[in-house]
Amino acid sequence: QQPVQSPQAVILREGEDAVINCSSSKALYSVHWYRQKHGEAPVFLMILLKGGEQKGHEKISASFNEKKQQSSLYLTASQLSYSGTYFCGTEILGSGNTGKLIFGQGTTLQVKP
Amino acid sequence: DTGVSQDPRHKITKRGQNVTFRCDPISEHNRLYWYRQTLGQGPEFLTYFQNEAQLEKSRLLSDRFSAERPKGSFSTLEIQRTEQGDSAMYLCASSWLDRGSGNTIYFGEGSWLTVV
Repeated sequence: QQPVQSPQAVILREGEDAVINCSSSKALYSVHWYRQKHGEAPVFLMILLKGGEQKGHEKISASFNEKKQQSSLYLTASQLSYSGTYFCGTEILGSGNTGKLIFGQGTTLQVKP
Repeated sequence: DTGVSQDPRHKITKRGQNVTFRCDPISEHNRLYWYRQTLGQGPEFLTYFQNEAQLEKSRLLSDRFSAERPKGSFSTLEIQRTEQGDSAMYLCASSWLDRGSGNTIYFGEGSWLTVV
């Protein structure tokens, strides 16, 4: 049931864009995106609930496909502060809206000057 | 709002000893979660509370692990007879369910456990 994230790692130059994907074999109730820096706790970025939903800020946004089995995180015009490991946390549809998240294995993003 | 706080942040213990971690959630949050994370992996769900009731426990939570949330406020996670495999970061998180905007879950800074 663990979602699969791709790519596993990506290296960017400042100002470049990146896309991180999260795929589940089961339909999802929600997808949560977090960024974690080494030795720190995961920091909440955003949550998606509805199929076809797109949301986010100017430079960090995410989408949730209609079937609610795939989500993508978009990082545009990357900054050095974007470096870290990105996790998607998924809540399986029908699991009772417990907030119990199953996390992917993470995508390590490194932004270089 | 001071966020989710955890104590201690770091603990080194000898194998076989008991350890206890404390979590203070965001004050208005009624749900509290414990996760465990090892290096290079995503967090793994251990258990969660809604108010003072423990509603779900993972099979990862052996009988050496016990969690409580008396009065629906802070929570403790106790590990008895620690083993080297228990070495990990223990993350506490809390949330308030909003059916419109979902269950936004905020993590604390984590408690690092090293069993030697």
